Amino acid sequence: GQQLNQSPQSMFIQEGEDVSMNCTSSSIFNTWLWYKQDPGEGPVLLIALYKAGELTSNGRLTAQFGITRKDSFLNISASIPSDVGIYFCAGRKGNTPLVFGKGTRLSVIA
Amino acid sequence: NAGVTQTPKFQVLKTGQSMTLQCAQDMNHNSMYWYRQDPGMGLRLIYYSASEGTTDKGEVPNGYNVSRLNKREFSLRLESAAPSQTSVYFCASSGGTGFTDTQYFGPGTRLTVL
Repeated sequence: GQQLNQSPQSMFIQEGEDVSMNCTSSSIFNTWLWYKQDPGEGPVLLIALYKAGELTSNGRLTAQFGITRKDSFLNISASIPSDVGIYFCAGRKGNTPLVFGKGTRLSVIA
Repeated sequence: NAGVTQTPKFQVLKTGQSMTLQCAQDMNHNSMYWYRQDPGMGLRLIYYSASEGTTDKGEVPNGYNVSRLNKREFSLRLESAAPSQTSVYFCASSGGTGFTDTQYFGPGTRLTVL
């Protein structure tokens, strides 16, 4: 099936630092989504992107739909302990189910 | 609104046993999905139902069957459980026709097959 390459796989950062993660694909997508999964819970949608070049913010989170439509980026500014979790990118190509990346596990050191 | 609910939350099976995972949504969504999540593998789609009365295979359907009982409910059945099916299973739903809307996930079922 289609593959999304998400990096980094894991991150350990100090509280207050900014975080960047990205997702790339060999195929063009027309939708990019970013989800966060807290321990023991299901993923929750953070940001949805529908247009190449689109930059969208949700509080301290900012995501961008890459111009090539083959990548997307998520930035978290001034990280706090509750940012801990697994962040997933997901993409959709046409009228097909979402394809998920393998996730970036974020740990925040107070 | 409970959103997406799943039962049971935890289950332990012996190899060869069968069981059905239940999922229900109260958001009047058309599409429903079953995923499995394994360490380092992310979320992989098992089966989906784009609308009531239809089901389709996803990326990893072998060893599973599904039933879209009505618009609200979408069940996943393991006929003869195998240790390779030890995983966390998530049900999700989305509102539009087809796949144009974002997905909302349930809390998951943690299954262990011995």
